[in-house]
Amino acid sequence: SQTIHQWPATLVQPVGSPLSLECTVEGTSNPNLYWYRQAAGRGLQLLFYSVGIGQISSEVPQNLSASRPQDRQFILSSKKLLLSDSGFYLCAWNSGVGSNQPQHFGDGTRLSIL
Amino acid sequence: GQQLNQSPQSMFIQEGEDVSMNCTSSSIFNTWLWYKQDPGEGPVLLIALYKAGELTSNGRLTAQFGITRKDSFLNISASIPSDVGIYFCAGQLPYNTDKLIFGTGTRLQVFP
Repeated sequence: SQTIHQWPATLVQPVGSPLSLECTVEGTSNPNLYWYRQAAGRGLQLLFYSVGIGQISSEVPQNLSASRPQDRQFILSSKKLLLSDSGFYLCAWNSGVGSNQPQHFGDGTRLSIL
Repeated sequence: GQQLNQSPQSMFIQEGEDVSMNCTSSSIFNTWLWYKQDPGEGPVLLIALYKAGELTSNGRLTAQFGITRKDSFLNISASIPSDVGIYFCAGQLPYNTDKLIFGTGTRLQVFP
């Protein structure tokens, strides 16, 4: 069966420091991969998605970037974190075969910027 | 970004009561999905709907894909304390099924 892993689960970083959050999927090939951010008590905002290695679509202008160095690996990065980057970051995947495939989420990373 | 109109925003009910929440949009969707999110965790898929008019159940949960393809509802019967959480609807647009449009969420509290 397919599984998705995100780490770390929680992270506290100072303003201006770099960021690297990692997400990996197991048990499937060529998935679509997604990064979302969720502010406290709010809905999910799509940040980036990828339909293949090296292919990244950015949804909103921001201080973050994403990369997909391997088929089942998706990385969210920043060179210099801002206070406004605090939030709950979720990775998700769905099958890249066919359309209308539901997305499945990881357990998230709670990022606090001090 | 675009979001679906989801209501109610929050619900406070007694254990054993039935619950109903819905999502509406001005756009037509190919797929409607319902997720539940527990505190500090990622959303978990509850029900997926693929055809207009489709009615699907998962235990005490029932969801329907509106006939106009612009709305969906989720019902929970005989609520229990573990139903507590945030429920999100999500839809896939016909011209871009790679992305999901999410509702604003319904926060459910169940009192014993």
